[in-house]
Amino acid sequence: GESVGLHLPTLSVQEGDNSIINCAYSNSASDYFIWYKQESGKGPQFIIDIRSNMDKRQGQRVTVLLNKTVKHLSLQIAATQPGDSAVYFCAEWDQAGTALIFGKGTTLSVSS
Amino acid sequence: GAVVSQHPSRVICKSGTSVKIECRSLDFQATTMFWYRQFPKKSLMLMATSNEGSKATYEQGVEKDKFLINHASLTLSTLTVTSAHPEDSSFYICSASLDSSGNTIYFGEGSWLTVV
Repeated sequence: GESVGLHLPTLSVQEGDNSIINCAYSNSASDYFIWYKQESGKGPQFIIDIRSNMDKRQGQRVTVLLNKTVKHLSLQIAATQPGDSAVYFCAEWDQAGTALIFGKGTTLSVSS
Repeated sequence: GAVVSQHPSRVICKSGTSVKIECRSLDFQATTMFWYRQFPKKSLMLMATSNEGSKATYEQGVEKDKFLINHASLTLSTLTVTSAHPEDSSFYICSASLDSSGNTIYFGEGSWLTVV
């Protein structure tokens, strides 16, 4: 079946470091991917998205990279701050394009 | 930006009772709303897709008679957990699709359900 997963369940970094969170997806037909940030007890918050016709997209302090050859997605956070501590999920639209499927999540912990 | 509101944010109910959770799109009309369930330290699991004016589409393994979904208007979808049991305790999150492509999605803040 289709699934979206993450390589590491947890990532710990020092404040100011760059963080890289990875995600592998299985549905080669997926054409739209989104990264979400979820703080404890809250709903997911949109960070950045990317379509399959792109391999890189930049936002404010965040960059998403898409490698369709190996079906790999990554989120890079520059100059990580304590406020970035949260669980990060990648998500993709399912094959039918009717629902957003979430990966397992990576917990990012930023220490001062 | 688009806002999706859920109510209640927290609810405790007795086993055997039913509880309703509302999901509202506050500043846009949402033709499609999605309901997710999330267990502690786990990912979001899609329960059902709700289209305005039609029956919800449930994911495999989700009991439609247990989790009643109604999408009566373009700004409101409700999830009713019927005859709730402690194992139904979870974090329920809704999301609403902003445009017809369905690609722009906004999430609510979630509703904590505890069944005692």
